[in-house]
Amino acid sequence: DAGVIQSPRHEVTEMGQEVTLRCKPISGHDYLFWYRQTMMRGLELLIYFNNNVPIDDSGMPEDRFSAKMPNASFSTLKIQPSEPRDSAVYFCASSWGMGGTYEQYFGPGTRLTVT
Amino acid sequence: GENVEQHPSTLSVQEGDSAVIKCTYSDSASNYFPWYKQELGKGPQLIIDIRSNVGEKKDQRIAVTLNKTAKHFSLHITETQPEDSAVYFCAASNDMRFGAGTRLTVKP
Repeated sequence: DAGVIQSPRHEVTEMGQEVTLRCKPISGHDYLFWYRQTMMRGLELLIYFNNNVPIDDSGMPEDRFSAKMPNASFSTLKIQPSEPRDSAVYFCASSWGMGGTYEQYFGPGTRLTVT
Repeated sequence: GENVEQHPSTLSVQEGDSAVIKCTYSDSASNYFPWYKQELGKGPQLIIDIRSNVGEKKDQRIAVTLNKTAKHFSLHITETQPEDSAVYFCAASNDMRFGAGTRLTVKP
């Protein structure tokens, strides 16, 4: 397996623009997680899905952020409108089961810069 | 939700020395404690984990110890090498929240 795939790897956009980050989890994994990483706040869990259903979105900062998982092999994280404070590295991770091995496999991340 | 505290935030050691990173957690129901290593420009990667029915686990030069009574667990790296330089994160299972991270630097 190629691992968790994220696109784009880098995104530079202007304030107010819509940004869409994409993730393809490892085949067979039933959990998908979105994280945001900054120097100030560390690694923050934004939302996670189980079998394509959002389970906990309490980490989503505000209504400008939304995430979807239309099927088992694809998820998006959308920011609309984007703001400079959204600049961060966004990671997607997937895992098989919560009570099992629980190991999360992280993608390479998307570095977002909002100017 | 779970609150995971990690210390120290930075750690510098000489090659060959040992390094210890400590984490405490708040939810006594937590039963799985992983450690992740993040190298520059990459996503975190699991290096070792421990479950609550075990007090210690070792894998070559790395080991993790767990004290459920005190609600803390530690990562031990022996005979450190420059390639161990990275940021290390702990987590506790019930909330999938990570500690703040420890930047380990191993000086050759």
